[in-house]
Amino acid sequence: DAKTTQPNSMESNEEEPVHLPCNHSTISGTDYIHWYRQLPSQGPEYVIHGLTSNVNNRMASLAIAEDRKSSTLILHRATLRDAAVYYCILSEKGNTPLVFGKGTRLSVIA
Amino acid sequence: DAGVTQSPTHLIKTRGQHVTLRCSPISGHKSVSWYQQVLGQGPQFIFQYYEKEERGRGNFPDRFSARQFPNYSSELNVNALLLGDSALYLCASSFWSGIGYGYTFGSGTRLTVV
Repeated sequence: DAKTTQPNSMESNEEEPVHLPCNHSTISGTDYIHWYRQLPSQGPEYVIHGLTSNVNNRMASLAIAEDRKSSTLILHRATLRDAAVYYCILSEKGNTPLVFGKGTRLSVIA
Repeated sequence: DAGVTQSPTHLIKTRGQHVTLRCSPISGHKSVSWYQQVLGQGPQFIFQYYEKEERGRGNFPDRFSARQFPNYSSELNVNALLLGDSALYLCASSFWSGIGYGYTFGSGTRLTVV
């Protein structure tokens, strides 16, 4: 079973920042926080992941709470191409399978 | 570099038939995982293989089987197809990012059982 809680849907205006929240109150010390997104008719796409410190890459930023019980995926300037289902997933350090929940469906309005 | 490739992209089968789905991971990736995604749900884990050995299995019946070949490509086999097996079947290969493993997914095979 998925160990994360996300809002079912969110909406954003184009070119504005988007903050996608995720609660994971039962996270263990060895769990990594992963974010994937799935565009229509495609497989999931890796976005970012981290353990304790905030992480940045070309796609997004991941802000992890100090107690690690929640995290936020930040898209700095939403575009229409960012409209997708975003999944927040906990995974152990090893090469363990991902457990997907229902994710957050992000709509971007022009 | 080519991404994870899956074939075929679409498939229609009749109940009771057998199906084989194929996956080629990214070059150098030794681990392959299979997922099933039914409409409106997130992907569900079926199998994981590493270096040709099964490393994990999800809650799926024995009608589902898989294998990994020496070149790290993989096949997913489903016997005695049911209508409920209609889904998008996804293959993923994993990579070490330096701070844990990440997964690269293919675009999937859309299986319709009629």
